[in-house]
Amino acid sequence: GAVVSQHPSWVICKSGTSVKIECRSLDFQATTMFWYRQFPKQSLMLMATSNEGSKATYEQGVEKDKFLINHASLTLSTLTVTSAHPEDSSFYICSARDGTSTDTQYFGPGTRLTVL
Amino acid sequence: KNEVEQSPQNLTAQEGEFITINCSYSVGISALHWLQQHPGGGIVSLFMLSSGKKKHGRLIATINIQEKHSSLHITASHPRDSAVYICAVRSRHTGNQFYFGTGTSLTVIP
Repeated sequence: GAVVSQHPSWVICKSGTSVKIECRSLDFQATTMFWYRQFPKQSLMLMATSNEGSKATYEQGVEKDKFLINHASLTLSTLTVTSAHPEDSSFYICSARDGTSTDTQYFGPGTRLTVL
Repeated sequence: KNEVEQSPQNLTAQEGEFITINCSYSVGISALHWLQQHPGGGIVSLFMLSSGKKKHGRLIATINIQEKHSSLHITASHPRDSAVYICAVRSRHTGNQFYFGTGTSLTVIP
């Protein structure tokens, strides 16, 4: 079946650095990709929706200059956490929508970010 | 009130027991997903349903669109089934946005 990968699966960084997380659709073209954030023992929270070739749409309360999203191709979206701080430590999950035949959404395995 | 409600929140079962996790939702949907999240966070998509019933190994998922309810069943549960199970619905109306339940934490004891 269709697979969505994320890289890295976990990352530890120092406060003030920027971290890039990649989300790839491995065997389908993702017309739309979604980025979620999950705090411990809480549900996934949508951060932004990105469509290939256009600017991402951010949910209310999500800083677009803090969380840069680039959806440069139909198989790759990146989330860059800029000037990361400890409060950005979280689990980040992407999902990709196959907008062609099945119009199905597939979830990536997630990336755990720890900011020291 | 959340758009997606799951029950129970926590569940402990003996190995071999039949397990049911319930999901009720309040929005019109185009699809419902059951996700499994293991300790450490990794998410696995178990099922996507828009009607009826699906089976994969020991897992069975059903959905009743009229009642806005879905169930995930695990037969012959095993300790490796211990995880958080999340119900997620894709709204038919609000730009295909997903709404997530808060998850059911399952622990299967040997």
